[in-house]
Amino acid sequence: EVQLVESGGGLVQPGGSLRLSCAASGFTFSSYWMTWVRQAPGKGLEWVADIKQDGTQKKYVDSVKGRFTISRDNTKNSLFLQMNSLRAEDTAVYYCARPAGRETFDYWGRGTLVTVSS
Amino acid sequence: DIQMTQSPSSLSASVGDRITITCRASQSFTNFLNWYQQKPGKAPKLLIYDASSLQSGVPSRFSGSGSGTAFTLTISSLQPEDFATYYCQQSYSSPYTFGQGTKLEIK
Repeated sequence: EVQLVESGGGLVQPGGSLRLSCAASGFTFSSYWMTWVRQAPGKGLEWVADIKQDGTQKKYVDSVKGRFTISRDNTKNSLFLQMNSLRAEDTAVYYCARPAGRETFDYWGRGTLVTVSS
Repeated sequence: DIQMTQSPSSLSASVGDRITITCRASQSFTNFLNWYQQKPGKAPKLLIYDASSLQSGVPSRFSGSGSGTAFTLTISSLQPEDFATYYCQQSYSSPYTFGQGTKLEIK
């Protein structure tokens, strides 16, 4: 059974940093691109970043470029999102998702809440 | 960036009704369009991929169509468990944008 379990969310002050993790199981992690998607409270879904199987290609939405870094550790079946210079508008539930094919997300984690507030 | 616009933003319907949600893209692409269902407090669930392909395990009352800039999601006979929010998403080019969502409520 495919499972994606996010962790690392919490309350952080504006300008602070947080590192999210996603533990994957039930599939060959190293064979898939992986993605982070976020959802602000009461709002819609926003694609944040993705990373190629070997980590050599990464893409980001403009609003997080230069502040967020996506990475992965295929030996530990884990995906990460390092978030720096956090802003109030980064407050959201962050989901880890697996693209089945071309950025079509067939499996999602339950999400982890990040709250940026003083 | 490709902008995705859904209509309507909300919809009231009854069990047994047939409903259609429309998603329009700001630029044309073939069939790289997906539909998701999300219930409160839950992660989204993939319903339709590549505009018209039904994800495994999804009931056949769900269907998708369209290409270019206009796509539709149809539920042929609403069931109680279908009341949720629906999102379209383009998988054609980065950033892989979602529509703003359509909230389907019980009339």
